[in-house]
Amino acid sequence: GENVEQHPSTLSVQEGDSAVIKCTYSDSASNYFPWYKQELGKGPQLIIDIRSNVGEKKDQRIAVTLNKTAKHFSLHITETQPEDSAVYFCAASGVLSMDSNYQLIWGAGTKLIIKP
Amino acid sequence: NAGVTQTPKFQVLKTGQSMTLQCAQDMNHEYMSWYRQDPGMGLRLIHYSVGAGITDQGEVPNGYNVSRSTTEDFPLRLLSAAPSQTSVYFCASSYSQGLYEQYFGPGTRLTVT
Repeated sequence: GENVEQHPSTLSVQEGDSAVIKCTYSDSASNYFPWYKQELGKGPQLIIDIRSNVGEKKDQRIAVTLNKTAKHFSLHITETQPEDSAVYFCAASGVLSMDSNYQLIWGAGTKLIIKP
Repeated sequence: NAGVTQTPKFQVLKTGQSMTLQCAQDMNHEYMSWYRQDPGMGLRLIHYSVGAGITDQGEVPNGYNVSRSTTEDFPLRLLSAAPSQTSVYFCASSYSQGLYEQYFGPGTRLTVT
């Protein structure tokens, strides 16, 4: 089944600098890659997603890039602000086993710390 | 709209006790799911449902039961709590298959002693 690895587990950046979080996936059939942000004490919330027919997608200060050949995708946050401090999860569409339905397979998460 | 609601927010159980975590959504979503979140392990799917009367197992279903009698509600039952079930539990709902935008509840922090 699909496996998603996410790096780094913790990322500390100065306010105003950029942050990049990377994920790799194993199933070449995966075609949907969302990123979720989880603030302290809350459930995850979708912030951006990309499908396999697109190489890059932007939404204001955040962007996601996808390299299907290398099977990795990245979240880029520019001009970071204190409110960007959170845990970020990547995910990829995939199957848990040969006889299961397509689901989201999640990375382990990255704790992003924005230093003032 | 309240979105996805979960009760309780916190719960402490003794080993062997049973309990039900409640989840409800008011967005008329067909797809609902339960995840557990453990440090360094991301979100792992426990059970999911694609509509009323239909449920299926996810990645880590052992020790948990679900039912879906209405579109709105998707309770998760712990049959005989074990310390390994200490975790934060999230319920989520989605328009379509659970692949696309999922709306998460605020979570239930469960401790089993």
